[in-house]
Amino acid sequence: NAGVTQTPKFRVLKTGQSMTLLCAQDMNHEYMYWYRQDPGMGLRLIHYSVGEGTTAKGEVPDGYNVSRLKKQNFLLGLESAAPSQTSVYFCASSYPPSGWDTGELFFGEGSRLTVL
Amino acid sequence: AQSVAQPEDQVNVAEGNPLTVKCTYSVSGNPYLFWYVQYPNRGLQFLLKYITGDNLVKGSYGFEAEFNKSQTSFHLKKPSALVSDSALYFCAVFKAAGNKLTFGGGTRVLVKP
Repeated sequence: NAGVTQTPKFRVLKTGQSMTLLCAQDMNHEYMYWYRQDPGMGLRLIHYSVGEGTTAKGEVPDGYNVSRLKKQNFLLGLESAAPSQTSVYFCASSYPPSGWDTGELFFGEGSRLTVL
Repeated sequence: AQSVAQPEDQVNVAEGNPLTVKCTYSVSGNPYLFWYVQYPNRGLQFLLKYITGDNLVKGSYGFEAEFNKSQTSFHLKKPSALVSDSALYFCAVFKAAGNKLTFGGGTRVLVKP
């Protein structure tokens, strides 16, 4: 069982280049998320999706776009990369909350992006 | 706005000694609180959560956390630390809309032999 898989794991870009990070999950989760991790700042939510065909902005959405065309995939795009987007990006997925319970998030192993 | 704070960037402890990682929260309404652990070059892994009920929550790998409403704290504890517990620990608070987690800045734990 692969869980949450992110590709690529490492990437170096020049300022102004574009790229897409792919997240795939095989747990039939409804919800998917993209976070970025920066030293001392924890994880910050970029965008999330509560179902196929839907997306919503998180805390730090500027400079990023996302798409959820298929339930199992959640793509994060950078149209014009900037050095401030150098970070480690994590994808996560979960079931929706149910009653008093909450959906535990399952994380991928991260994608390290450097923008020169 | 909801938030969590982890006041310590790093905690050093000798193997076999008790380990405590601090977390305080600020939320409106009842808090749903989580701890996650991140090992080097890996994604985050769920340790435990508090939703309601007993203030002492037991989780994976021998960890437990104590919810204290009056002090708005949710400290992570382990009675006897192992070298393999060396990792980055994150406290998080849940927001129902979108099933979103807001994370603290993380605390690096170093357990020395």
